[in-house]
Amino acid sequence: EVQLVESGGGLVQPGGSLTLSCAASGFTFSRFWMTWVRQGPGKGLEWVATIKEDGSETYYEDSLKGRFTISRDNPKNSLHLQMVSLRAEDTAVYYCARVYCTSDICYLPDYIDVWGKGTAVTVSS
Amino acid sequence: DIQMTQSPSTLSASVGDRVTITCRASQSISSWLAWYQQKPGKAPKLLIYKASTLETGVPSRFSGSGSGTEFTLTISSLQPDDFATYYCHQYNNYLRTFGQGTKVEIK
Repeated sequence: EVQLVESGGGLVQPGGSLTLSCAASGFTFSRFWMTWVRQGPGKGLEWVATIKEDGSETYYEDSLKGRFTISRDNPKNSLHLQMVSLRAEDTAVYYCARVYCTSDICYLPDYIDVWGKGTAVTVSS
Repeated sequence: DIQMTQSPSTLSASVGDRVTITCRASQSISSWLAWYQQKPGKAPKLLIYKASTLETGVPSRFSGSGSGTEFTLTISSLQPDDFATYYCHQYNNYLRTFGQGTKVEIK
């Protein structure tokens, strides 16, 4: 069964840092682009960042560039999101997700086909 | 960035109703659009990709259409399990965006 399990969420003070992790299983992790999506309380979905299969390319939502870093460890089937200088508006559930690619060589990944259940981050003093 | 605008934001309907949700892109995205369903406290679920292709296992009452900048998600006969929030999502380039969501409520 394809599964994504996030961890690392919690309460952090404004200006603090947090690293989220996502454990992947049930598929060949190293063959898929991966992404993080977040959802603030009572709000819609917001794309955060995406990383290529081998980690050589990363893409970020403009407003998060410089504060958030997406990375992956393929031998450990894990995805990470390092967040620094956290603000109240970063409070959200953070979802790890797999990005499907219809072509064998994936220059531009397609749609999100698998989601984790999310981990909650609260930024508050 | 490509902006995605959904309408309406909220929709009240009854079981058996035909429901249509619209998603407009700020520039052409060809057919690179997906639709997701989300229920409270749950992760989103993929319904449709490439604007009109139904994901395996999704009931045939769901359908998608459109290309370029205007897209629709239609539920032909609303069922009790369909009351949820629906999001469109463009994947035309590396910088992805979602619509703001449409909540389908019980009338």
